[in-house]
Amino acid sequence: GDSVTQMEGPVTLSEEAFLTINCTYTATGYPSLFWYVQYPGEGLQLLLKATKADDKGSNKGFEATYRKETTSFHLEKGSVQVSDSAVYFCALSDQGGSEKLVFGKGTKLTVNP
Amino acid sequence: NAGVTQTPKFRILKIGQSMTLQCTQDMNHNYMYWYRQDPGMGLKLIYYSVGAGITDKGEVPNGYNVSRSTTEDFPLRLELAAPSQTSVYFCASRFETSQDTQYFGPGTRLTVL
Repeated sequence: GDSVTQMEGPVTLSEEAFLTINCTYTATGYPSLFWYVQYPGEGLQLLLKATKADDKGSNKGFEATYRKETTSFHLEKGSVQVSDSAVYFCALSDQGGSEKLVFGKGTKLTVNP
Repeated sequence: NAGVTQTPKFRILKIGQSMTLQCTQDMNHNYMYWYRQDPGMGLKLIYYSVGAGITDKGEVPNGYNVSRSTTEDFPLRLELAAPSQTSVYFCASRFETSQDTQYFGPGTRLTVL
């Protein structure tokens, strides 16, 4: 079945550092890809998404490009802030009947001042 | 719009007790989902619904039941609570296609002792 593998955490960075969180996927067909963010004590919020190959999703300085050839959707940000501390989940939308989201295990990011 | 709302926020159950987790959305979404999130893991799908009167099992349905009598509501029932059901439960909804964003509720933290 479909699956998502993302970089194990936790990741600790200093403010203004460059962030990359790797995400690769296995899927039949052409799924939509998502990054969700979970702040402490809250539910998941959509950060960005891409629905077809070579699409770039972007939001709040974060970017990710849908790479079909490498089956990847790596999350990047040029300069992280303390407020970016959260858990980040990569996910794909299953193309079967439920079209549920299949999630990676999550990567906890801590940004220190 | 309130989005996706869940009640209660927290609950402690004794082994063998029953309870219903409530989920309501006011976005007229067709698809609704129940996920559970265990520590250090991604989210796993329990049940989903593609519209009023239609429900189906996800990856981890054992010990749970659902119903969908209206578009807005999708309650999750635990009949005989077990310690293995200690988790955080998230309800989500989506409008139509797999490209659409899933919107998540704030979660219910359940402990079974």
